Amino acid sequence: AQSVTQLDSQVPVFEEAPVELRCNYSSSVSVYLFWYVQYPNQGLQLLLKYLSGSTLVKGINGFEAEFNKSQTSFHLRKPSVHISDTAEYFCAVSDVRRGAQKLVFGQGTRLTINP
Amino acid sequence: DSGVTQTPKHLITATGQRVTLRCSPRSGDLSVYWYQQSLDQGLQFLIHYYNGEERAKGNILERFSAQQFPDLHSELNLSSLELGDSALYFCASSARPGRERPYEQYFGPGTRLTVT
Repeated sequence: AQSVTQLDSQVPVFEEAPVELRCNYSSSVSVYLFWYVQYPNQGLQLLLKYLSGSTLVKGINGFEAEFNKSQTSFHLRKPSVHISDTAEYFCAVSDVRRGAQKLVFGQGTRLTINP
Repeated sequence: DSGVTQTPKHLITATGQRVTLRCSPRSGDLSVYWYQQSLDQGLQFLIHYYNGEERAKGNILERFSAQQFPDLHSELNLSSLELGDSALYFCASSARPGRERPYEQYFGPGTRLTVT
């Protein structure tokens, strides 16, 4: 079984400042890793994913994440945030062995951008 | 727009009632997943269908059931509703193995269920 821990439930930052949203996972098998964003009153949109290969992955809207197998982490970063990045961010994993089956989500991190 | 559609957008009903939520996957996707998002439980996987067959079950209550029809749309049936069933219910779809990006799930806008 897998589990995901998002270490911060809320992260307030000022506009144009850098941000890091932390995600740790636990799994006895290899996993795929994902970050999703949920804007107010909307569904989830995929930001980026790690399947294999380079541990630094780039996604949409200027976000990137780094997979660290030894620390079982997949932290999300953006060098300069905008007001429009205000949203809830979810880290998720799925079992590699079973392909595209269930996603196990973290509890989410609410990112608030202050002007 | 993810290409996944869900109806209705909002649903208000009373305890003890039964409701049906509908999902249409992206064109060509064979897999449909249902998730529940609530304040206390977060986002939880309920059930996965692939080409009409149930493939995996998560924390789905016995009062809940789902099916996927030959045209690949799916329905989630919730019965004997309780106050605690109030939540946002998401449907997601993914491409079949061998197609592009088979590991990505595309989410619909959700159905917000309020049980009073």
